[in-house]
Amino acid sequence: NAGVMQNPRHLVRRRGQEARLRCSPMKGHSHVYWYRQLPEEGLKFMVYLQKENIIDESGMPKERFSAEFPKEGPSILRIQQVVRGDSAAYFCASSPPLGQGSSYNEQFFGPGTRLTVL
Amino acid sequence: AQRVTQPEKLLSVFKGAPVELKCNYSYSGSPELFWYVQYSRQRLQLLLRHISRESIKGFTADLNKGETSFHLKKPFAQEEDSAMYYCALSGNQGAQKLVFGQGTRLTINP
Repeated sequence: NAGVMQNPRHLVRRRGQEARLRCSPMKGHSHVYWYRQLPEEGLKFMVYLQKENIIDESGMPKERFSAEFPKEGPSILRIQQVVRGDSAAYFCASSPPLGQGSSYNEQFFGPGTRLTVL
Repeated sequence: AQRVTQPEKLLSVFKGAPVELKCNYSYSGSPELFWYVQYSRQRLQLLLRHISRESIKGFTADLNKGETSFHLKKPFAQEEDSAMYYCALSGNQGAQKLVFGQGTRLTINP
């Protein structure tokens, strides 16, 4: 199992362009989480998805940001009309379906995508 | 509101000395608490969780509900413990988001 994959690892965009970040969860994992880490800060939750469903998007900015986890293919975090303040590391994590009697499943993290907006 | 506070951004100790990384939280309910670690050039990975009550790589952490703390401790630090450490909490109602502290960079000096 290759672990959670994210690509690209580094992405440079000019202000106003679109950024697309991809996340392939670990095999057998049906839960995907996106987190953002601004410089000198901890990871901040953005969105939690299961296949074809957004479960919790309480951490997503109201505008320009969207996420999806289609039936086939990776999860995509999309940022439209990027601004300099979007420059950050974006981490994806995945976890398996909840097991019987378990209230929490460990989240496995990808290596992150570092977005730089010029 | 859910919040995790790690008061020390940087912590430096000598090899063989005891280590304590502080973590305080606020949560209305019974959260699950975790410590995640990121070694140089590696991914963020789970170190331990309070529910398992186990020692990993010599580290332990006890949940103190009265003080709302979950400090990470190790009696004798080793150089390979140098890393970034994040305290995190999750609600206890199924698969949920993690709320992270700002992290503490631990450096073990030889």
